[in-house]
Amino acid sequence: AQTVTQSQPEMSVQEAETVTLSCTYDTSESDYYLFWYKQPPSRQMILVIRQEAYKQQNATENRFSVNFQKAAKSFSLKISDSQLGDAAMYFCAYRATTGANSKLTFGKGITLSVRP
Amino acid sequence: DTGVSQDPRHKITKRGQNVTFRCDPISEHNRLYWYRQTLGQGPEFLTYFQNEAQLEKSRLLSDRFSAERPKGSFSTLEIQRTEQGDSAMYLCASSPPPPGVVYEQYFGPGTRLTVT
Repeated sequence: AQTVTQSQPEMSVQEAETVTLSCTYDTSESDYYLFWYKQPPSRQMILVIRQEAYKQQNATENRFSVNFQKAAKSFSLKISDSQLGDAAMYFCAYRATTGANSKLTFGKGITLSVRP
Repeated sequence: DTGVSQDPRHKITKRGQNVTFRCDPISEHNRLYWYRQTLGQGPEFLTYFQNEAQLEKSRLLSDRFSAERPKGSFSTLEIQRTEQGDSAMYLCASSPPPPGVVYEQYFGPGTRLTVT
């Protein structure tokens, strides 16, 4: 079974600074998707960024980028130029590419606070 | 708005009562997922529908839980004889059929259940 581990329960960053959120996962599959989701307080979860395992290039979406280390099964999220609106819970998630079910397996999440 | 909607947003019930939640996916999304999120944890997969067919159920979905998706449109999740351990946020998500972006799941705002 696939597992996703986020070992840091909380992190804090100064506005305009850079922060990195860590995630490790375990799978026997060779192809899969990895995601970072953001869940603001009392608001719905939204997708921040995705990475296809077969792609060597790290995904980037504006101020968000990932460091995908397939051999190490590591998938960290870097947020540059942090903004107050980035404060939220962030979840790392895994999805297999094969099989009819495309369920997501989530980590426990990390609470990110942004200091003004 | 064409996002995923869930009703009710909050539900308080007494132990032993039955509750039913509704999820309306994004129009034309044929895949629908239910997840449960307890405090301080990431969402956990409960069940998955493709059109009206329920294709997978998690071991978390005990006999007291039942989900339906008549006609492949909205879905309902019913919990019978609620227990305090059922207190959680129940999230619904949907994703489109190919050639849509099938890996992305769009989440609703969730239904927060409190069992007293």
